[in-house]
Parts: sequence; structure tokens; C-alpha cells
Amino acid sequence: GENVEQHPSTLSVQEGDSAVIKCTYSDSASNYFPWYKQELGKGPQLIIDIRSNVGEKKDQRIAVTLNKTAKHFSLHITETQPEDSAVYFCAASRRSGGSNYKLTFGKGTLLTVNP
Amino acid sequence: DTAVSQTPKYLVTQMGNDKSIKCEQNLGHDTMYWYKQDSKKFLKIMFSYNNKELIINETVPNRFSPKSPDKAHLNLHINSLELGDSAVYFCASSQTVPGELFFGEGSRLTVL
Repeated sequence: GENVEQHPSTLSVQEGDSAVIKCTYSDSASNYFPWYKQELGKGPQLIIDIRSNVGEKKDQRIAVTLNKTAKHFSLHITETQPEDSAVYFCAASRRSGGSNYKLTFGKGTLLTVNP
Repeated sequence: DTAVSQTPKYLVTQMGNDKSIKCEQNLGHDTMYWYKQDSKKFLKIMFSYNNKELIINETVPNRFSPKSPDKAHLNLHINSLELGDSAVYFCASSQTVPGELFFGEGSRLTVL
């Protein structure tokens, strides 16, 4: 099955700095790569996603890059703010039979933005 | 308006008991899921239903039984609870597959 590795497990940055979280996946058939943000006591929330026909996608301070050949994708947050502090999860999705898809999550990165 | 709601939010029970967690979504989505998040924050899919039909059933002990009475509801019943079942259980839904998952706020289960 799919295996998603995520690094680092914890990341601490100063407010205004950039943060980068990296993920690798094992199944070359995976074609959808979302990133979720989970704040304390809440469910994960999608912040950005990318599909395999695109190499990069940006939404204000957040960007995701995908390298299908190397099977890795990264989340970039610029001009970090204290409210960016949360656990971030990458995920990869592949077809699991018929029209069904299975999403496999990385183990998460605890990002702390220090004021 | 809560999009995906789960009840109860907290559940404390003794080993060997049976408990249920309910989930409802008002987004009109066809697909619903149960995920388990352990103490290390690892998120793992347990079940997925599409329009009341079970489509993903991971290697979960058969003490766990999902039930979908209609496409807006997906409940999780757990028999003979064990210490290792302690976790946060998240319900989610999506309109497209693959596509954005909308998660509930989670149900924290503690087995003593």
C-alpha cells in the first residue's frame, strides 16, 4: 500500500520567517496530494491541494510543490504568523478499486511560530 | 451551521463496554468516513461509505461496526472496548473522490 513520510515532526520558526514541510510517497499511482491543518481540539481542515498534472500551486502565503519523478511534495508557508501554529498533515491519494480512492496521511508536523 | 457534527465529543468508559459515536453531515455529500487519530496524532482511515454502501474497510477489528442509515449519517459502534481503542475518532465527508475532506470536531474516547 501507499506509505507517506513527513518531515520534520516538529518545526519552530520566528514570526515572519518561512516554514517548509516535506513529504515523500511510495506509490507512483498516487495523483492527489492535499495538505491539512489541525488546530488544537479541532478536526483537520484542508488548506491547499495539488493534483499530479500540476507542479506548483500557490494561495496567498501558502504554496505547494510536487515532483512526481522523485515522488515528493512540499508545503511552503511564507511570512509566518502566530496563528499558523498547528499540526500540518500531508496526504496522498490513489485509486483503491473501481472509482474508490484511499487517502494516506503523513504523521504530521507540529509547527510553532514564535512571536 | 455545523457541517459535520459528531456526538458525543467526549466518552469515558470501562474496558469491555459497548459504545456508539454518531455522525451527521448537512453538506449533501455522498461519501462519509471514519478516521482514528492515536495519541501520536497519526490519522488512519477506518471505513468509508458512499451513498450508504461500504467501500473502504481497513484492517479494523470486527468489534468496530459502522452503520449508515442514510447518506447523511454514519455511526460507529464499538463492542467489548479495549484500552488500545482510546483515541480521537473523526468523522468526515466529501463530495468528490478524491477531494476535500470535511472533518467533524472529533470524539475523544478514553477506555479505563
